[in-house]
Amino acid sequence: DTGVSQDPRHKITKRGQNVTFRCDPISEHNRLYWYRQTLGQGPEFLTYFQNEAQLEKSRLLSDRFSAERPKGSFSTLEIQRTEQGDSAMYLCASSLYNKYYVGKTQYFGPGTRLLVL
Amino acid sequence: RKEVEQDPGPFNVPEGATVAFNCTYSNSASQSFFWYRQDCRKEPKLLMSVYSSGNEDGRFTAQLNRASQYISLLIRDSKLSDSATYLCVVKPVVSSNAGGTSYGKLTFGQGTILTVHP
Repeated sequence: DTGVSQDPRHKITKRGQNVTFRCDPISEHNRLYWYRQTLGQGPEFLTYFQNEAQLEKSRLLSDRFSAERPKGSFSTLEIQRTEQGDSAMYLCASSLYNKYYVGKTQYFGPGTRLLVL
Repeated sequence: RKEVEQDPGPFNVPEGATVAFNCTYSNSASQSFFWYRQDCRKEPKLLMSVYSSGNEDGRFTAQLNRASQYISLLIRDSKLSDSATYLCVVKPVVSSNAGGTSYGKLTFGQGTILTVHP
């Protein structure tokens, strides 16, 4: 399977615990995005990377959230001191970008569904 | 005001019906437009891009009105398999072959739920 993969697919945690999610993009894609989707809403942008550089962060990304992409390949999203309001689907997407090709299409992974009790 | 607004529906239509979804966006700097489809408990998947001249892909027709900041999707001859949530998506992109600034994020509407019944 050469699509975007995410791990774990489901996570149940207690309030106050830390959680970490992993995303493996399509191998040749240099851009990687994180989104959050709550029930009945469309995905909301959190942050994105071009290679290992984090280029943009949403105001939704509080100081409890951190994302990394240390080698420009896979990425991790960590949530510290989880709150019940963090319960959502966390989606990762990737795309190919260079200055000659915008690479408009973002391909999404299956998501990690987080439930904070 | 939300950046991208859609009628959440739900739309319940019989097989064979024609159904239209509308969407408005507030950021006039938006340069790229898409419709994504999301099945229940699955990830969003690109259905089609939307071009200024309008474009068609089989039973699906997308239209863009930049002056009104309005996007539409028309589905003809609805199939049971068309049942899904349809997400209107805009992307503020300023990019050129000369290497201008490009912003990557997609901004989604809340989605319109479509159910096609026999």
